[in-house]
Amino acid sequence: SQQGEEDPQALSIQEGENATMNCSYKTSINNLQWYRQNSGRGLVHLILIRSNEREKHSGRLRVTLDTSKKSSSLLITASRAADTASYFCATDAEGGGADGLTFGKGTHLIIQP
Amino acid sequence: EAGVTQSPTHLIKTRGQQATLRCSPISGHTSVYWYQQALGLGLQFLLWYDEGEERNRGNFPPRFSGRQFPNYSSELNVNALELEDSALYLCASGSFYNSPLHFGNGTRLTVT
Repeated sequence: SQQGEEDPQALSIQEGENATMNCSYKTSINNLQWYRQNSGRGLVHLILIRSNEREKHSGRLRVTLDTSKKSSSLLITASRAADTASYFCATDAEGGGADGLTFGKGTHLIIQP
Repeated sequence: EAGVTQSPTHLIKTRGQQATLRCSPISGHTSVYWYQQALGLGLQFLLWYDEGEERNRGNFPPRFSGRQFPNYSSELNVNALELEDSALYLCASGSFYNSPLHFGNGTRLTVT
């Protein structure tokens, strides 16, 4: 079953603009991770935020986590054409779910040059 | 450091046949996860192996099976292939429970 749900399903912006994607989940978590997938390839880990953290930065990426709302957002600043990809959030269940990480359906981001 | 490798890259089979997909994790990683990514869907959890044991399986029929070898590489077998099994099968490895996963580029399975 899908734990995380990304929103929007698709997003198209101009190069240089900021892109924001959201993720909602259902159960309490230990941590939340964001991954990127270029077309037809494997996923690449971007950033991990723990349940006791509220915000985390990595280069042009900024992730926030609101455990009270069971939601997270990924902000990509100053977008580039190379950022075109699908972005997935992944969660693990608090207490240890044997499924490991549970992924959403992803947000497909298109950066227009 | 070599990444997660999967073989073959593409596999075309006929309905009713069997498919075998292979995965080599990053050196030192003992956990291997298999996911199915059908067109338009997210990643569906298939199987998790750790230290040679199957730790859990997702909501898939028994014709999806696999194993993990002593060197931690893994094999996914799909028997009695059906058209809806056509998908990208992704393997990922991790160094400890719920650590960030490292993914291979997948095997594209097409069932005709």
